[in-house]
Amino acid sequence: AQSVTQLDSHVSVSEGTPVLLRCNYSSSYSPSLFWYVQHPNKGLQLLLKYTSAATLVKGINGFEAEFKKSETSFHLTKPSAHMSDAAEYFCVVSDVRGGADGLTFGKGTHLIIQP
Amino acid sequence: NAGVMQNPRHLVRRRGQEARLRCSPMKGHSHVYWYRQLPEEGLKFMVYLQKENIIDESGMPKERFSAEFPKEGPSILRIQQVVRGDSAAYFCASSRVGPNSYEQYFGPGTRLTVT
Repeated sequence: AQSVTQLDSHVSVSEGTPVLLRCNYSSSYSPSLFWYVQHPNKGLQLLLKYTSAATLVKGINGFEAEFKKSETSFHLTKPSAHMSDAAEYFCVVSDVRGGADGLTFGKGTHLIIQP
Repeated sequence: NAGVMQNPRHLVRRRGQEARLRCSPMKGHSHVYWYRQLPEEGLKFMVYLQKENIIDESGMPKERFSAEFPKEGPSILRIQQVVRGDSAAYFCASSRVGPNSYEQYFGPGTRLTVT
């Protein structure tokens, strides 16, 4: 069994300041982890993914995430927020050992960017 | 290369009516997944299909919901006798290979409102 907990339902930051979106996971096996972003009326877009290679993963639009096995965390960060980053962000785990049940999503974090 | 397409984007049904949601996967993709997003919830897996086969429907409600992915044409998610609790966003994703592929591409979703 696997699960994902996104610790904040809403995060508000000022433009130009750092972004931190927190995610903790549990998985019976070595997981693959992802962050997706959802803009209004758009499909989900893959930001970045961790698949047992380097623990620091760089994604699109300046985002990155660090896989910390000891803390079972995969927090998403960005050094400087931009207005266009305002969206819903989903942390996702995929159990590579099996299961045809696709991906397990967190409940999402709504990122608000203050001008 | 067109992405995953879903139609309609918005669907309004009265209680007791039927809802049909369509999903056309990306070209070359033969695996389709349906997810439901309830308000304030993450996406929840419903069903995984390949052409003409349901592979895993463990996330589908036992009654009123069905899905198909025929040899020709889009995948259809069908909800009979809709109730208010069916109001949600329904997302379809597709992949080239199986469920442990990291590359699930999502459509823009269909927002179902039951009045």
